[in-house]
Amino acid sequence: GDSVTQTEGLVTLTEGLPVMLNCTYQTAYSTFLFWYVQHLNEAPKLLLKSSTDNKRTEHQGFHATLHKSSSSFHLQKSSAQLSDSALYYCALKKTGFASALTFGSGTKVIVLP
Amino acid sequence: EAAVTQSPRNKVTVTGGNVTLSCRQTNSHNYMYWYRQDTGHGLRLIHYSYGAGNLQIGDVPDGYKATRTTQEDFFLLLELASPSQTSLYFCASSAGVLYEQYFGPGTRLTVL
Repeated sequence: GDSVTQTEGLVTLTEGLPVMLNCTYQTAYSTFLFWYVQHLNEAPKLLLKSSTDNKRTEHQGFHATLHKSSSSFHLQKSSAQLSDSALYYCALKKTGFASALTFGSGTKVIVLP
Repeated sequence: EAAVTQSPRNKVTVTGGNVTLSCRQTNSHNYMYWYRQDTGHGLRLIHYSYGAGNLQIGDVPDGYKATRTTQEDFFLLLELASPSQTSLYFCASSAGVLYEQYFGPGTRLTVL
């Protein structure tokens, strides 16, 4: 079945450094990928999404490129800010009409001053 | 902005108890979802619906029932609650499966 893997459970970094969160997926047919962000004591919110191979998608300083050849959709930011501390989820639309999303296990990011 | 509300916000029950979690959205979205969030597991889909009277099974449906009574209202029922169902539950809605999901504030359920 469809699945999403986020290898890092926790990423800790210093403000101003670049950050990359890994996301790989397995699917029979679907290629709609999403990143959601959840700040402490808040609900998850959509950060960005893509379905186009090799096209960079950007939002709020973050960017990600869907690479179908490697089944990856890594999230990157060139310079982390304290406010980027949050839980980040990668998600894949599951195969099938009217199907839902399957989420990865999430990566917690802590940005230190 | 889409508005999704959940009630109650906190609930404590005992093993074997009956619990109903409520969700209402006011943006006429077709899709509504119930998730549970647990550390190490992320967000896991329990049930979802793409219209009043419709119900689809998610990835972790065991021990849960759901009902979509209207376009706005989606309920999650735990008829014999167990400690393993202690979790943070989120409801969400979207215009379609490829559209942004708007999440409610969550309900923290504790089963003793």
